Amino acid sequence: TQLLEQSPQFLSIQEGENLTVYCNSSSVFSSLQWYRQEPGEGPVLLVTVVTGGEVKKLKRLTFQFGDARKDSSLHITAAQPGDTGLYLCAGANPGAGSYQLTFGKGTKLSVIP
Amino acid sequence: DAGVIQSPRHEVTEMGQEVTLRCKPISGHDYLFWYRQTMMRGLELLIYFNNNVPIDDSGMPEDRFSAKMPNASFSTLKIQPSEPRDSAVYFCASSFFAPPGIGYTFGSGTRLTVV
Repeated sequence: TQLLEQSPQFLSIQEGENLTVYCNSSSVFSSLQWYRQEPGEGPVLLVTVVTGGEVKKLKRLTFQFGDARKDSSLHITAAQPGDTGLYLCAGANPGAGSYQLTFGKGTKLSVIP
Repeated sequence: DAGVIQSPRHEVTEMGQEVTLRCKPISGHDYLFWYRQTMMRGLELLIYFNNNVPIDDSGMPEDRFSAKMPNASFSTLKIQPSEPRDSAVYFCASSFFAPPGIGYTFGSGTRLTVV
């Protein structure tokens, strides 16, 4: 079983602060995705990283895939209340004829105005 | 496209009753996934289909759970009989098989409460 550990589990910060959340595994993934989930809704895909060492930016969000493709981080600059939500990482390791994601339990972020 | 549509949004039922959750995937997506989310266990994959065929149901908790996909535009997840420990948010998601980069599109979920 491939497991993804996310840390911290909970994070509460003031508006304008920077933060980093982590996603770690002992397994290698062919790609890794980050989702954000708001209360009462399903997760929404933010980004996919594929290559070891890859860095992707989405406005104030920076995503990095570890060189060994076992870990990833999400950095948010100048957090805003609209960033509040549950951030989930999910690893893909498609086998022959299959395509499924393994999800971490998430980091619950609260940005206080 | 309206996205993945799940119904009902909320379901409250008594222990022992049958519960049926419904999902309409995005047109053209050939993979459909059923997940269950709880605070303790996070998102757990229950079962997934490819081209309407169940591929992996190893996540289905027990025989009380069953899922069907009679056609490309409809799937159901049934719990019979329901138990309080089945209380959770159930999500349906769809996708199409492609090189990494294509994520899942999730529905808004069904919040099930069994009393």
